[in-house]
Amino acid sequence: DQQVKQNSPSLSVQEGRISILNCDYTNSMFDYFLWYKKYPAEGPTFLISISSIKDKNEDGRFTVFLNKSAKHLSLHIVPSQPGDSAVYFCAAYPSTGANSKLTFGKGITLSVRP
Amino acid sequence: ETGVTQSPTHLIKTRGQQVTLRCSSQSGHNTVSWYQQALGQGPQFIFQYYREEENGRGNFPPRFSGLQFPNYSSELNVNALELDDSALYLCASSLRWTYEQYFGPGTRLTVT
Repeated sequence: DQQVKQNSPSLSVQEGRISILNCDYTNSMFDYFLWYKKYPAEGPTFLISISSIKDKNEDGRFTVFLNKSAKHLSLHIVPSQPGDSAVYFCAAYPSTGANSKLTFGKGITLSVRP
Repeated sequence: ETGVTQSPTHLIKTRGQQVTLRCSSQSGHNTVSWYQQALGQGPQFIFQYYREEENGRGNFPPRFSGLQFPNYSSELNVNALELDDSALYLCASSLRWTYEQYFGPGTRLTVT
């Protein structure tokens, strides 16, 4: 049972435009969310996170939005750059905290066209 | 600051054999988690170690076992390898009570 769902396997955007990557979750116990980026032959790299007490967190070109009632979060990248081309994973912790199991989605492959 | 390192990079084993994968934590990190990433899937949590003890386990059979050493490095051992064990094995280190985990590049295991 996939508790973190990234239903779109891929996304292609033009350089300079906005990339919006979506993530849905089913477990209402999740309350801390992270986005990771992964390049081929490398491990996932932490990108940005958000706690359930917030609805938005911003770090440079990256913004994560959380809609807790809809159990939905999204990662916005503005402006998109070719170096952003990678696989993006959404992940979630339950309310039992940071020492609990981190659950990942299947990932979305983002391609940014020059 | 040294990042998370894993060895070996690639490994080919035969069904029924045993394998040991190694991980060195990022400097200052005291918690290590292991993940299995099958092709086309996200990382799946295997288990976590803190103070040399297992501190949480995912849905993996007992033939997956681990160790953490006093310097916080860790090993993942898999006995009686099956074809479905072929995957990328990722190690991540973190500080206890913090959310961000920092991943190594992984070990690609192929079981034939």
